[in-house]
Amino acid sequence: IQLTQSPSSLSASVGDRVTITCRASQGISSHLAWYQQKPGKAPNLLIYTASTLQSGVPSRFSGSGSGTDFTLTISSLQPEDFATYYCQQLDSYPLTFGPGTKVEIK
Amino acid sequence: EVQLVESGGGLVQPGGSLRLSCAVSGFIFSDHHMDWVRQAPGKGLEWVARSRKKGNNYITHYAASVQGRFIISRDDSERSLYLQMNSLKIEDTAVYYCVRDSMSWAFDIWGQGTMVTVSS
Repeated sequence: IQLTQSPSSLSASVGDRVTITCRASQGISSHLAWYQQKPGKAPNLLIYTASTLQSGVPSRFSGSGSGTDFTLTISSLQPEDFATYYCQQLDSYPLTFGPGTKVEIK
Repeated sequence: EVQLVESGGGLVQPGGSLRLSCAVSGFIFSDHHMDWVRQAPGKGLEWVARSRKKGNNYITHYAASVQGRFIISRDDSERSLYLQMNSLKIEDTAVYYCVRDSMSWAFDIWGQGTMVTVSS
């Protein structure tokens, strides 16, 4: 299953609402997760089963979608949110990640 | 504290072998599928392999890029995960992460990663 993410990168300001889209090449139910990765660090789980917020993750992060189309939304971008975001499908093998979306400071 | 600590990375020549280890603490290792994920320098994340838990007969799965060259294994009594990497290629150069499957369709715990460099 191929995952595409859009955009591949974006520039935004603190306080902006940011939306990242992930599309699967075939239906994956809700078996999708979102991760945040900062330079030199391991990824950090944000959202699982498409819309469930991982414990300890700020509520400004939310996820939605099912089937083939998914969205990660950051309601009000904070300085610590500048990072790269990846979606991942865990519906079938091989497990796959999207190519990533880099969120940069405008 | 839940912790995954990888070791065994380093510099190896093309065609060589390397064995990565991941020591686990802070949770019941035998209750979880465990995975390896890698990230080449400046690139995205790539899932490498999975060792399913005892209840799933320790079945393994691999990415096509490593199938036949890499072997994932685990020792529940030692709380350790391994990745035996054979016939290494330059394109296997990456940071390798040991990862816990949450059993809720996500990877919830990641190690700090160990660097593998394949070069002559």
